[in-house]
Amino acid sequence: AAGVIQSPRHLIKEKRETATLKCYPIPRHDTVYWYQQGPGQDPQFLISFYEKMQSDKGSIPDRFSAQQFSDYHSELNMSSLELGDSALYFCASSYQGSYGYTFGSGTRLTVV
Amino acid sequence: ELKVEQNPLFLSMQEGKNYTIYCNYSTTSDRLYWYRQDPGKSLESLFVLLSNGAVKQEGRLMASLDTKARLSTLHITAAVHDLSATYFCGGATNKLIFGTGTLLAVQP
Repeated sequence: AAGVIQSPRHLIKEKRETATLKCYPIPRHDTVYWYQQGPGQDPQFLISFYEKMQSDKGSIPDRFSAQQFSDYHSELNMSSLELGDSALYFCASSYQGSYGYTFGSGTRLTVV
Repeated sequence: ELKVEQNPLFLSMQEGKNYTIYCNYSTTSDRLYWYRQDPGKSLESLFVLLSNGAVKQEGRLMASLDTKARLSTLHITAAVHDLSATYFCGGATNKLIFGTGTLLAVQP
């Protein structure tokens, strides 16, 4: 069965650089969620999109932005990267009216 | 805003022993989730509990939900080393909010 695809799997950036993470949800899933997980931490909700519109916003820094495109894939754009942005970034997708959240394999971002 | 707490944060178990992880949540949650995460890996769905009194079992793991007490439990029976991982519970209204996680280490 198709899963949630995230790219890249690993990313190394320098401070003050920008990064773009991509997420391809399960086909026919209409909602995408982004989470940030620091070392030894629980995943923190960043932002979500339903039918290409932002549906909820969590603890996402102003330096980050995201969008969902017409094919339902989503991108998380991160600018002016800081050392503290180093984390695992997960994307999850779901279908409105269902109960499951399926997570991708994550992108490990390292800021040096 | 929904808050989810787990205890214990760390659990060292011997193989063959039983133990329970507790998950408390602060406000009404439509449903309760349990996930497993191996180091550096993704979150694997274990259980979704939808209603008061719900009980689900898979192998050595059993999850239950008491919505009146705002409490879910994950019971581990006769632990084996393969169960070593971090376990997260999560509550959801329009998004999934995770608990603090329980790092489970099963010792031979």
